Amino acid sequence: KAGVTQTPRYLIKTRGQQVTLSCSPISGHRSVSWYQQTPGQGLQFLFEYFSETQRNKGNFPGRFSGRQFSNSRSEMNVSTLELGDSALYLCASRDSGPTGELFFGEGSRLTVL
Amino acid sequence: DQQVKQNSPSLSVQEGRISILNCDYTNSMFDYFLWYKKYPAEGPTFLISISSIKDKNEDGRFTVFLNKSAKHLSLHIVPSQPGDSAVYFCAASAGSGGGADGLTFGKGTHLIIQP
Repeated sequence: KAGVTQTPRYLIKTRGQQVTLSCSPISGHRSVSWYQQTPGQGLQFLFEYFSETQRNKGNFPGRFSGRQFSNSRSEMNVSTLELGDSALYLCASRDSGPTGELFFGEGSRLTVL
Repeated sequence: DQQVKQNSPSLSVQEGRISILNCDYTNSMFDYFLWYKKYPAEGPTFLISISSIKDKNEDGRFTVFLNKSAKHLSLHIVPSQPGDSAVYFCAASAGSGGGADGLTFGKGTHLIIQP
């Protein structure tokens, strides 16, 4: 079974631009979550989608948004990029069971100049 | 306000000895705890979990202990092997498993196994 796939793996943007990151979950997983990892803050929860609906959202500004498609693939978008948005963005999927184990992709490394 | 704290940014242990990684939490609503392991340039991978109804869970060389009264959990790795060198994240959730609230992660502990 293929794992969680994230694209692109690396990208460089400048301040003020916007970026869209893509995530394909493990086949059969309907829940997709996004996390931001920075050296100082560790992994921080951005949002979770389940069956095309945002189920919960972390404490991030409205510049961070996401969506999920009917095939469970998800995208997240960051508008008006700031230097502080430079981070590793991780997508994770899980099935609908109660155990809560998340399966992470390798991440998209965003650098904002 | 950090709800999950890993107070040791790094830990160095000799190969073959026991590695003990610690994690403290402040949110009483957390009822499910997980440990993830992360190698550079890879996403975190699930290691072991424990529900709040238990105080110990074991899987091979890995054991997680939960002390609810102290709001403390620890991960024991015995014996430690070179391949265990990685960053270990403690995570917690409220509301059965991963829940709809997402996981709250600690900042991680970099474990270094020395030969």
